[in-house]
Amino acid sequence: TQLLEQSPQFLSIQEGENLTVYCNSSSVFSSLQWYRQEPGEGPVLLVTVVTGGEVKKLKRLTFQFGDARKDSSLHITAAQTGDTGLYLCALSPGNTGKLIFGQGTTLQVKP
Amino acid sequence: NAGVMQNPRHLVRRRGQEARLRCSPMKGHSHVYWYRQLPEEGLKFMVYLQKENIIDESGMPKERFSAEFPKEGPSILRIQQVVRGDSAAYFCASSPGTASEAFFGQGTRLTVV
Repeated sequence: TQLLEQSPQFLSIQEGENLTVYCNSSSVFSSLQWYRQEPGEGPVLLVTVVTGGEVKKLKRLTFQFGDARKDSSLHITAAQTGDTGLYLCALSPGNTGKLIFGQGTTLQVKP
Repeated sequence: NAGVMQNPRHLVRRRGQEARLRCSPMKGHSHVYWYRQLPEEGLKFMVYLQKENIIDESGMPKERFSAEFPKEGPSILRIQQVVRGDSAAYFCASSPGTASEAFFGQGTRLTVV
C-alpha cells in the first residue's frame, strides 16, 4: 500500500498551459516536501510545507498544504519546457530524516 | 563546496558479479541515506547511516545487500551476486542532521546483463 498517492501519473501539456498535480494520503503528516527530478539527475528540493492550509509560492509554482494535512497540491502557471521532469512529494516519518516518496508525476511540457 | 558525489555514474555488471556503489557526502554532512529508483517510479528508501553506524536499514533487502559508512572515506553500497532485478538507479543523499535538508547525488545507474 502506497503511503502517498500522486496523481496524475503522467501529464503532457503544451507550453503556456496551467496544470495541477496532487499528493494524497490517508494519514495526517506533520510536513511534506516537493521535489523535482530531471532525467539523469537526483531530486532537488522545491519546498517544504508544514502548516495546514499553508500556501507557498516559488515563481510560477504554487504549493498548497490541505487544512487537514493529508493532502497537498502543486500548481504551475504558464508551464515552460524547462518545467519538464518528475515531480515527487515526500514525507519524513519519525525523526530520522529518511524520506518516503510518492510514485511521482511525470510532466512533459511540449514547445 | 562540492555537492554529493556518486561514482560511478553508470555501472554494468553480469549476473552473479558484485556491484560497489560509492557516495561521498557534502563536506560537514555526517548523515547518509541510500535510495533505489526503478524506471518511472519514485525513490524507495534503503538505508540510513551515520559515521561507522547503520541507523535504519528497514528498506534493505535481507540478502546480498550491505552498506557501510566508515570513519574515513565514502559510503559504500554493496550488492553481491547481482540479478537482473537489481537494475535501477541508486541515489545517495546527505545531510548535516535529521532535521536538515538532504541533498541528493546524481545517482549510479546499475545495469545487470
